[in-house]
Amino acid sequence: SQQGEEDPQALSIQEGENATMNCSYKTSINNLQWYRQNSGRGLVHLILIRSNEREKHSGRLRVTLDTSKKSSSLLITASRAADTASYFCATDRDGGAQKLVFGQGTRLTINP
Amino acid sequence: NAGVTQTPKFQVLKTGQSMTLQCAQDMNHEYMSWYRQDPGMGLRLIHYSVGAGITDQGEVPNGYNVSRSTTEDFPLRLLSAAPSQTSVYFCASSYSPVAGTNEKLFFGSGTQLSVL
Repeated sequence: SQQGEEDPQALSIQEGENATMNCSYKTSINNLQWYRQNSGRGLVHLILIRSNEREKHSGRLRVTLDTSKKSSSLLITASRAADTASYFCATDRDGGAQKLVFGQGTRLTINP
Repeated sequence: NAGVTQTPKFQVLKTGQSMTLQCAQDMNHEYMSWYRQDPGMGLRLIHYSVGAGITDQGEVPNGYNVSRSTTEDFPLRLLSAAPSQTSVYFCASSYSPVAGTNEKLFFGSGTQLSVL
């Protein structure tokens, strides 16, 4: 079963606009991670937010976590063509990060 | 550092054949894992290891074996390939899976496997 579910499944925006992706999960977590996957490549870690954190920034990325709603959002500001990729959230469960569970991903397309 | 290296990048098998997907990391990571990625289903965990000599099953372990004789290597064996095992396979590693430590995963570039 999917622990994390991203929304929307696909998103297409113009270069320079902001992109927001959401992730919902079902069980309690210690942390939530976001990864990016360029076409035909492996996943690359973007950011990790712990359950006691509400917001985290890294460059043009802003991640929020609402444990009461079991949801997280990833905001990419001032998008660039190079941001075109699939984005996945991953949650730990069963008490540890041994079994990270990935959502189905959001496919983001940045149009020049 | 090379990071996480997977071989081969592409493989075509016939039903019933066996093969081993290789994974090696040079970051002295304790934790290693194998995921498969299928369209519309995200990544699903096959097997994982928290250290040399220690392995455990993930979400979809049937039809696959693993071993961890060294810290660096974590091969995935397909015992008798089936068309349902057609997928892209990713190996990943992290310094430690313990919550509160450096749990982020480093991924290899993947192996695209087709079983006919």
